[in-house]
Amino acid sequence: QKEVEQDPGPLSVPEGAIVSLNCTYSNSAFQYFMWYRQYSRKGPELLMYTYSSGNKEDGRFTAQVDKSSKYISLFIRDSQPSDSATYLCAMITGQSGGSNYKLTFGKGTLLTVNP
Amino acid sequence: GAVVSQHPSWVICKSGTSVKIECRSLDFQATTMFWYRQFPKQSLMLMATSNEGSKATYEQGVEKDKFLINHASLTLSTLTVTSAHPEDSSFYICSASQGFGGYTFGSGTRLTVV
Repeated sequence: QKEVEQDPGPLSVPEGAIVSLNCTYSNSAFQYFMWYRQYSRKGPELLMYTYSSGNKEDGRFTAQVDKSSKYISLFIRDSQPSDSATYLCAMITGQSGGSNYKLTFGKGTLLTVNP
Repeated sequence: GAVVSQHPSWVICKSGTSVKIECRSLDFQATTMFWYRQFPKQSLMLMATSNEGSKATYEQGVEKDKFLINHASLTLSTLTVTSAHPEDSSFYICSASQGFGGYTFGSGTRLTVV
């Protein structure tokens, strides 16, 4: 079993739809959770960062973490064609106080928002 | 905001030659740099982690003699793919960190070995 599972899609939605992206993980040592957006042939850019269970909202984006179920989600409201990209979840392992915090990524979900 | 510059953005080289990829943090000091490899429609796979002035720590299965990483300063890390072969063709991405939770990615380098 991989440490982080993410459905690669592809996911295609009409403009204005609510998008739900999800990841599950098996390692209970993961404490911090991120969502990255990656456009084709570009490096990932950070969208959301959270460390506690519950919801965190930033504009049209909401990150949700359920540590008891080892399940995280990213919701995109009023989706736009410009949101078309690959969305990667990522989680941080590593020892407290150390400098080598390694991100473990999900496979990424390819999202297309159609005008 | 933090910016990481990665060069070149794409490179084509002949089999057997070496290629160097540079990753620079432009407006912050990167105590740790990460190098990833990404195949089409796949996730980012961590290759190695390097701290300034120290030897890189390679992930299991990554050949350290093939993928040479140098992190000589707090703003520059390089990845050299030695004796490249077609199977090394991939998208290589660096990430620079100035501390826990702060990761900035470069724009990636597409390497094609012919």
